[in-house]
Amino acid sequence: GESVGLHLPTLSVQEGDNSIINCAYSNSASDYFIWYKQESGKGPQFIIDIRSNMDKRQGQRVTVLLNKTVKHLSLQIAATQPGDSAVYFCAEKSGNTGKLIFGQGTTLQVKP
Amino acid sequence: SAVISQKPSRDICQRGTSLTIQCQVDSQVTMMFWYRQQPGQSLTLIATANQGSEATYESGFVIDKFPISRPNLTFSTLTVSNMSPEDSSIYLCSIDRPGHSPGELFFGEGSRLTVL
Repeated sequence: GESVGLHLPTLSVQEGDNSIINCAYSNSASDYFIWYKQESGKGPQFIIDIRSNMDKRQGQRVTVLLNKTVKHLSLQIAATQPGDSAVYFCAEKSGNTGKLIFGQGTTLQVKP
Repeated sequence: SAVISQKPSRDICQRGTSLTIQCQVDSQVTMMFWYRQQPGQSLTLIATANQGSEATYESGFVIDKFPISRPNLTFSTLTVSNMSPEDSSIYLCSIDRPGHSPGELFFGEGSRLTVL
């Protein structure tokens, strides 16, 4: 069946360092792969997505990498800040239904 | 961005009772999505609500347990019926928006239900 998962439940980094959050997916037919950030007590917030025909996309301080050969997705956060502390979810989308399948989440802890 | 308001933000409920969660959006949208997030877990889609038609439920979710209304293009309700402690979760309303990335959903703050 379809599944999206993350390698590590918790990642702890020093403020100013770069963070890399990983995700493995199983549905090769997905059109888009997405990263969401969820702060405590809030709903998830879109960070960045990547289309299935791309392998890299950059945003502001974030980069998403897609390796379709090994079905791996990663989110890189440059110069991690305390405000980046949150749970990060990868998700995938197929077709035009609007349905997203979410992975299990990685908690990013930023140490001052 | 979008303004999505959910009520209640949290509630403590007794086993066997039902609770209706409201979702109000600041503009008209075609589809509204209801997700469940169990404690410490990821999000799972319950159903998609289109105005003027029956909601489409995902595998494992049924209308009798999670009836949904969609009376207009800015509002939807999700009812959690005959609740048990296993229904303790955050329930989230979300929408997509034309002109935004296909993977971008906008979420409400969620309704955190605790069932005793």
